[in-house]
Amino acid sequence: GAGVSQSPSNKVTEKGKDVELRCDPISGHTALYWYRQSLGQGLEFLIYFQGNSAPDKSGLPSDRFSAERTGGSVSTLTIQRTQQEDSAVYLCASSSRPGQSSGANVLTFGAGSRLTVL
Amino acid sequence: ELKVEQNPLFLSMQEGKNYTIYCNYSTTSDRLYWYRQDPGKSLESLFVLLSNGAVKQEGRLMASLDTKARLSTLHITAAVHDLSATYFCAGYYNTDKLIFGTGTRLQVFP
Repeated sequence: GAGVSQSPSNKVTEKGKDVELRCDPISGHTALYWYRQSLGQGLEFLIYFQGNSAPDKSGLPSDRFSAERTGGSVSTLTIQRTQQEDSAVYLCASSSRPGQSSGANVLTFGAGSRLTVL
Repeated sequence: ELKVEQNPLFLSMQEGKNYTIYCNYSTTSDRLYWYRQDPGKSLESLFVLLSNGAVKQEGRLMASLDTKARLSTLHITAAVHDLSATYFCAGYYNTDKLIFGTGTRLQVFP
């Protein structure tokens, strides 16, 4: 697609429920990132996928958080047994190839999924 | 782990004035990025600084990179209201993880 698409744009859930957030990156982009942005805060790195390599999960805050990327394209971030502190905007971004010193490798961000846990 | 710190965190400035936002990072990162975020919106790329001494300018914004000092600056010249937004710098850690700074919230008033 022309840009990074995220769904849902807004999700309100009850504490203890599971939620799934979807990211559809730009076609051809091999790198995909998930970040979390709490109200008025900066961006917290969650997880990174590059091609078929094992994902870098070092930013996931707890084992309630997991993510998959199927076929090197669409990614799903799953939060199990949601807590109120999970309320935030979850941003997805993609790029053509990260860490390439000869290129700019600018991340293109989606509009985000705003999660509210009651 | 790369740490990226910005200051100030909040900046209120009058139209027409100049100011600089500072971005310090803790370990080697040969590229530095600046992004802008409008309230309720996602992030938009502003500048990519690829080497020591790099300087990029667009309109009233100018960004520079000093890899030896591990410092990047974003200079605002003759601020206008349309520049009101939150500005983030970011650097790559281990060539693949983009780490963002805390952000600087800029408000420009008449």
